[in-house]
Amino acid sequence: QVQLVQSGAEVKKPGASVTLSCKTSGFTFTKYYMHWVRQAPGQGLEWMGMINHNSGTTGYSQKFQDRVTMTRDTSTSTVYMEVSSLRSEDTAVYYCARDRITVFGVFTNYFDYWGQGTLVTVSS
Amino acid sequence: AIQLTQSPSSLSASVGDRVTITCRASQGISSALAWYQQTPGKAPKLLLFDASILESEVPSRFSGSGSGTDFTLTISSLQPDDFATYYCQQFNNYPVTFGQGTRLDIK
Repeated sequence: QVQLVQSGAEVKKPGASVTLSCKTSGFTFTKYYMHWVRQAPGQGLEWMGMINHNSGTTGYSQKFQDRVTMTRDTSTSTVYMEVSSLRSEDTAVYYCARDRITVFGVFTNYFDYWGQGTLVTVSS
Repeated sequence: AIQLTQSPSSLSASVGDRVTITCRASQGISSALAWYQQTPGKAPKLLLFDASILESEVPSRFSGSGSGTDFTLTISSLQPDDFATYYCQQFNNYPVTFGQGTRLDIK
C-alpha cells in the first residue's frame, strides 16, 4: 500500500535551517510529483511547492521561493525539503503529499496521499 | 494568487442532517477544485476533485458541484465520522491555494 513516512519533529532557533524528509513506498516513485503543504497551529493549509520525482524539476510558491529547496533521491524513493532562515512564523506541521496523477500520468495538483506530518518549532 | 472563501467558517449539526459548505473563488477556476476532510492531529484526506468527482472509497453521501467561482460540498446524511474540518483547494493557477476551512461539529 502507498505510504509516505516523514521524519521526526524538529526544534530550531531563528535563522537556522531545517531539512525534512518523506520516504515513500508502495508506488512507482518516478511516475509521481510530490508537494509540500504546511499548517501553522490552529490555522489552515498553505502550499509551498512541488517536485517532479523523475526529472527533479521543482516549482515553488513565490512566498517561499528564496528559502525553500526540494530534492529527491530516486534510489531510496525519498523526497526532501530544506527551509532556511527560519523564523517563528515558520512554526507549523509540514506535510508531504503525493500528486493525484491521471491515468495518463499527467499531474493534477490534487493530493491523494499524505505523510503523517512533521512538526517544526522555531523558538529562541 | 486566487483566494478561496469558505462559508460558513463553522457550523453545528446533528447526525443525519444534510449539510452544505460553499467555497467561492476570487476569479474563475473552471472545475479545478478539490475538497478535503481533516480531523484533529491527522493529515487531510481527499474527498472530491474536479469539483464533483468522488475519490475512491469515499462514501457516496459526499457530493460536490459548481464551476467558475462558486462551489458546494454537500453531505447528505451526517455520520459521526464526518465531524471534522473541511477545506476546498484550487488548482487553476499557481500557487495552489486553500480555503480557510469550515469546522463542522456536533450540535
